[in-house]
Amino acid sequence: AQSVSQHNHHVILSEAASLELGCNYSYGGTVNLFWYVQYPGQHLQLLLKYFSGDPLVKGIKGFEAEFIKSKFSFNLRKPSVQWSDTAEYFCAVKTGGFKTIFGAGTRLFVKA
Amino acid sequence: EAEVAQSPRYKITEKSQAVAFWCDPISGHATLYWYRQILGQGPELLVQFQDESVVDDSQLPKDRFSAERLKGVDSTLKIQPAELGDSAMYLCASSPGANTEAFFGQGTRLTVV
Repeated sequence: AQSVSQHNHHVILSEAASLELGCNYSYGGTVNLFWYVQYPGQHLQLLLKYFSGDPLVKGIKGFEAEFIKSKFSFNLRKPSVQWSDTAEYFCAVKTGGFKTIFGAGTRLFVKA
Repeated sequence: EAEVAQSPRYKITEKSQAVAFWCDPISGHATLYWYRQILGQGPELLVQFQDESVVDDSQLPKDRFSAERLKGVDSTLKIQPAELGDSAMYLCASSPGANTEAFFGQGTRLTVV
């Protein structure tokens, strides 16, 4: 069955630390890849997406993600986190049948 | 900025009662999704509409859940009868097409007692 795995359920970092959140999926066909973010009290919103082309994609607020097809991975990175990045982050994969599967999410807490 | 509207924001209901949620997608968005999110998990697709037609309801518990989008605009998700295990956040999302990112509403938090 198709699935999305996010390796870390909870991450605690200090401000200015670097961030990398892992995401792996199981699906052999063409995929579209997304990272969504949910800030406290707000709705899910798109952080970045990959459809095709350059596998290194840049999103809002300094986030980026790299699609590595051979590893079925789409890890999220940010060189220096801020307190305002405290949120829950969801990796999502849209398969050829246009069904989107979400990972379980990673809760990030950034200490000021 | 256009948003997906959902109501109510919160709903408490007794088990075996009926409950309904409403969603108004962003204007012009042909694709509408209902997701269920249990605490500590990611959203799980319940049903996906393309205009007024259901294109995926494979994860919808059809013995108690129903969804409709009669005019291809707003949508209603109904649970009858509600069970304790239905307590969750119910998210509505929409997108211009099936192959683009989704825009989410604030959700309806359902508690079944």
